Amino acid sequence: LAKTTQPISMDSYEGQEVNITCSHNNIATNDYITWYQQFPSQGPRFIIQGYKTKVTNEVASLFIPADRKSSTLSLPRVSLSDTAVYYCLVPITGGFKTIFGAGTRLFVKA
Amino acid sequence: NAGVTQTPKFQVLKTGQSMTLQCAQDMNHEYMSWYRQDPGMGLRLIHYSVGAGITDQGEVPNGYNVSRSTTEDFPLRLLSAAPSQTSVYFCASNRQADPNTEAFFGQGTRLTVV
Repeated sequence: LAKTTQPISMDSYEGQEVNITCSHNNIATNDYITWYQQFPSQGPRFIIQGYKTKVTNEVASLFIPADRKSSTLSLPRVSLSDTAVYYCLVPITGGFKTIFGAGTRLFVKA
Repeated sequence: NAGVTQTPKFQVLKTGQSMTLQCAQDMNHEYMSWYRQDPGMGLRLIHYSVGAGITDQGEVPNGYNVSRSTTEDFPLRLLSAAPSQTSVYFCASNRQADPNTEAFFGQGTRLTVV
């Protein structure tokens, strides 16, 4: 059973880089790590996914070490609009379900 | 392209009433799911479907029924509403029945049971 652990909350200031680390010790060989972002009163939306090393898109970067037991979502120069809950997801081994944990509540201050 | 559409957006029910939350997707996605989100909490999986005619239970299925007669629609039925079912409900779809694929979410239905 692949379970993830991430900090419950984080605070930051505008313009700073934010790194949110997720641990997933039991990730299966073929599984990816996926991060979602949820703003208040909205459904989650996909932001980035990776399998190993580093992935970067226009929103974030995702760093995955060789053992794949953890991953770090990096948000460069955050703004107030990045205040949201960020979820790290790893599939339940052998199943179809997508299970969300509690996520990390990021609060960006001016 | 509408994506995932949920109706209604808001609903107030009395204890014991039944109702159906509608969810439709126009992306021909194989996998659909329902979640509930209580204040300050993460999403909990209620039911999911890997294709038309196939449904299964998630983490918190009690008090809810689902069916999947078409690829597009995945309604969630509350049989006898209870105050504990007050929550925000999200429907999602994935292109395949593979949790490594991206989930697309609807805007949610805010349900209050009094």
